[in-house]
Parts: sequence; C-alpha cells; structure tokens
Amino acid sequence: DGGITQSPKYLFRKEGQNVTLSCEQNLNHDAMYWYRQDPGQGLRLIYYSQIVNDFQKGDIAEGYSVSREKKESFPLTVTSAQKNPTAFYLCASRRGGQDYGYTFGSGTRLTVV
Amino acid sequence: GENVEQHPSTLSVQEGDSAVIKCTYSDSASNYFPWYKQELGKGPQLIIDIRSNVGEKKDQRIAVTLNKTAKHFSLHITETQPEDSAVYFCAAGGYSTLTFGKGTMLLVSP
Repeated sequence: DGGITQSPKYLFRKEGQNVTLSCEQNLNHDAMYWYRQDPGQGLRLIYYSQIVNDFQKGDIAEGYSVSREKKESFPLTVTSAQKNPTAFYLCASRRGGQDYGYTFGSGTRLTVV
Repeated sequence: GENVEQHPSTLSVQEGDSAVIKCTYSDSASNYFPWYKQELGKGPQLIIDIRSNVGEKKDQRIAVTLNKTAKHFSLHITETQPEDSAVYFCAAGGYSTLTFGKGTMLLVSP
C-alpha cells in the first residue's frame, strides 16, 4: 500500500543534541511538508519542498533544517538552536498539479529533556 | 500571509445531534479549503474539501459550505456518532501551502 511513513514514533533526546526525524513516501508525490503541532496551536509550517533539491522556509523555520535529495525522502533536523523542540512533528506530501490535498504521516513525538 | 481562525475550540453534542464548526480566512487569493480529522496520537486525515468555485459540497453525513465574499467556510456533521469524536482542523491555501486553524475538539456523547 502507498503511504507516508514517519519514524520513529517516539524520540527522546538530551538538550543540546541535534536530532533527525525521518519522513518517507511511496506515493510518487512531488511536494513534501513538515508541520509542528503543539497543544492548542494547530499545525504550523516549518519547511516545505515542491521539487527535489529545493525547499522553502515556512512560518517557524528557525532552529530547523531539511534536505530533499530524493523525491521519496524529506528528513527534518531539529538543531540545538531550536529553543523549544518538544512537540509532535507531522510530515505531509501532496501529489502536485491540480491535486491540492495533503496526505499526512502518523507523526513523531519528540521529547527533549 | 494567510491567517485562519477556527471556532469553537471545543464542542460537545449528544449522539444524533448536528455539529457545526466555522472558520474564517484572510487571504482572498486562497482557493482551496480542506477539513481534516485527527484522532489521538495519529496524523490528520482529509475528510472533505472545497474549492473557491464551489459554494457547497456534501459527502454522506458531512458537508462544507463556503462564502467567498465573507471569507468564511463551515463544516457540518449531521447525525453525529461517538466515532466522530476527534479534533477537526480547517485549512486555507492553494498550490504551495496550507495554513491551518487551531482545531476544534468534538466530543459526541452516547
């Protein structure tokens, strides 16, 4: 079955360490997105990529970095510069063209202690 | 940029009642308005969407209405069931990105 996979589901890290969250899709979708979800805050856009080797900052990109070396993969690195990294992170993809709907992964809950 | 406001933040109904969630948006260039349902610990799932050239869309018990002039759109769920209990998000945008509302927690009591 086609889908979008985020791993791991739960991740614990010590303060000051960088951590990379994985996002892989086999839907052949062109665009991929990273959102952060905090209680009562909805979903806020971190980074997005509409094509391989290109990506754009979203509303809250500070302290995060991404890469898009392959169409299927869009990893997110939470750096030590992110002041409040504990959150639920959601990856999404979109086919492109006239199909605007997102398919979301099941999320990674990151806890920094 | 786009700004999406969603109300109410929580909604409690009895099984069989109707539920309505409302959203407003600010950017007149937005032309796509999806609704997502998120269950605890899972990613959001698209339940219905509407484009700016359509005023209303229905899929079984759920419907969405759009008023472009007033820049608001609404989700209507009829004959609610306990399994409808979840957090619902509206969003507005277009080709590049979507901006999401802060969500509505819907609780359907048996």
